[in-house]
Amino acid sequence: KQEVTQIPAALSVPEGENLVLNCSFTDSAIYNLQWFRQDPGKGLTSLLLIQSSQREQTSGRLNASLDKSSGRSTLYIAASQPGDSATYLCAATNQAGTALIFGKGTTLSVSS
Amino acid sequence: GAGVSQSPSNKVTEKGKDVELRCDPISGHTALYWYRQRLGQGLEFLIYFQGNSAPDKSGLPSDRFSAERTGESVSTLTIQRTQQEDSAVYLCASSPGPGTGSYNEQFFGPGTRLTVL
Repeated sequence: KQEVTQIPAALSVPEGENLVLNCSFTDSAIYNLQWFRQDPGKGLTSLLLIQSSQREQTSGRLNASLDKSSGRSTLYIAASQPGDSATYLCAATNQAGTALIFGKGTTLSVSS
Repeated sequence: GAGVSQSPSNKVTEKGKDVELRCDPISGHTALYWYRQRLGQGLEFLIYFQGNSAPDKSGLPSDRFSAERTGESVSTLTIQRTQQEDSAVYLCASSPGPGTGSYNEQFFGPGTRLTVL
């Protein structure tokens, strides 16, 4: 059964810092891994999707990597801004590819 | 273009009542998913539709929960005889289709916040 863990649970950084959010999953037989952002009281915004055959994806200041063999993914945020403050969720597909299994998230606070 | 929409945005009901939650997926998306997020908890998968069929309903927590999809479009999640532990945000997502790769990128709606008194 797929389980997803995110570390740290919370992170506070000053504006301008580069930071890394970590995600680990127990079942390497994934179809893909998706990173989301969740703002308070709002739905989820998809940030990056990494297919199982890929090693990384980039979008603007965000870079996500995937290492299936070790069951790890990282989300790198460059030059953080106060607007990046949100909860970041990592989700890996279950073995059947019919659902996303979510971690509990990392709540990021970027101070100006 | 239009994203995933859900209604109502908020629903307050009394214990024991039935509720229906609606999801309108992105046009043309054949896959639809329901999740729930209880306060302080992570998102939990409930059910997956491919077209109008539900090949994976393994996340439904009890037989009080059911869902249907019609016209390969709108889906309704029904909770019968609601209990206080059903209080949560119910999120719907859709993706272009089955298979691997970007076809499985899921796009989420804003959710329905259900409060059972």
